Amino acid sequence: DAKTTQPTSMDCAEGRAANLPCNHSTISGNEYVYWYRQIHSQGPQYIIHGLKNNETNEMASLIITEDRKSSTLILPHATLRDTAVYYCIVKYNNNDMRFGAGTRLTVKP
Amino acid sequence: SAVISQKPSRDICQRGTSLTIQCQVDSQVTMMFWYRQQPGQSLTLIATANQGSEATYESGFVIDKFPISRPNLTFSTLTVSNLSPEDSSIYLCSAQYRGEQYFGPGTRLTVT
Repeated sequence: DAKTTQPTSMDCAEGRAANLPCNHSTISGNEYVYWYRQIHSQGPQYIIHGLKNNETNEMASLIITEDRKSSTLILPHATLRDTAVYYCIVKYNNNDMRFGAGTRLTVKP
Repeated sequence: SAVISQKPSRDICQRGTSLTIQCQVDSQVTMMFWYRQQPGQSLTLIATANQGSEATYESGFVIDKFPISRPNLTFSTLTVSNLSPEDSSIYLCSAQYRGEQYFGPGTRLTVT
């Protein structure tokens, strides 16, 4: 599975959009981009995933560049409850999930 | 989605003893996984447990230390044996259901 690079930490103002970048320059054609988050003392929570098209659900949007070497997770209106560690993972479908260090997002009032 | 529960949620164990963690999924799943999360760190995959076959362990993890059972399609156990303080971590169960991977709330183990 390809590796990912994410910033160690980011801050965001409450109510503003949080844009979390992820680099995955060695991603291969059949690998998906997944985003999970882990709120303190809880298990990881699935957010969204995509292959090459942009995706949106009730939680977030996922923007994948045309060359698929990077992506951005967008939380459109961040709240204090979105404070968490966000993990970007690339993997083949049906493979296990391998976690990097993630980005610690702090939403500030 | 699949809902995963773990027992116990936390425990304090003495050095040299063992702890068995139970994982229950509310749906039948083929693939289950066990992860370890050391303090302040990310998750590390311990092993993959498919029903009807022996668990597959990742580099650095061995069956004698982390025996796993997978008796049916909704249940698995992880035992952490011969405990030492270095085993103090959160242990998380995970399962793949309809193409997505879900996680339990974790078991916080403290070894004294």
